[in-house]
Amino acid sequence: GENVEQHPSTLSVQEGDSAVIKCTYSDSASNYFPWYKQELGKGPQLIIDIRSNVGEKKDQRIAVTLNKTAKHFSLHITETQPEDSAVYFCAAKERDDKIIFGKGTRLHILP
Amino acid sequence: SQTIHQWPATLVQPVGSPLSLECTVEGTSNPNLYWYRQAAGRGLQLLFYSVGIGQISSEVPQNLSASRPQDRQFILSSKKLLLSDSGFYLCAWSRQEAGAFFGQGTRLTVV
Repeated sequence: GENVEQHPSTLSVQEGDSAVIKCTYSDSASNYFPWYKQELGKGPQLIIDIRSNVGEKKDQRIAVTLNKTAKHFSLHITETQPEDSAVYFCAAKERDDKIIFGKGTRLHILP
Repeated sequence: SQTIHQWPATLVQPVGSPLSLECTVEGTSNPNLYWYRQAAGRGLQLLFYSVGIGQISSEVPQNLSASRPQDRQFILSSKKLLLSDSGFYLCAWSRQEAGAFFGQGTRLTVV
């Protein structure tokens, strides 16, 4: 089955700088890769996603890249703001619709 | 628009007692449904997922079971809770080749 690895587990960046979170997956049949943001005590919220036929997608300050050959995908947050502090999860969706998550990255935006 | 309801938000149960957590989705038909557990280490562990009524896939052998008695209803149960069942339980729904949308979660403490 699918295995998703996520790095780093914790990331601290200065406000205004960029943050990058990286994930790898094992099942080449996985075809959909969402990213989630989770704030304390709440359920994860979908923030951006990418399908396997696309290499890059951008939504304002957030972008995601996918390298199918290497089986890795990354989340990029530019011009970070205090409200970006949260736990971020990557995930991979298999063809049978099972969704497997990485272990999460706790992002701290420093003032 | 689609909404997902999960209750209760918080639950304290004694060891050996039964458990029933309910999740319902509105505004869509034949969704994929998921139960995840999030322990203190913040990773999201897939427990069960369902692609249709009566179709349940179990990902981790354990003290829990799931049922889908109606198209948009997903129930997580246990006959006898263990201390290790404590955690944050999240229900989610998705469409094919799309991301999952989560409920607000149930924080279960087994005492």
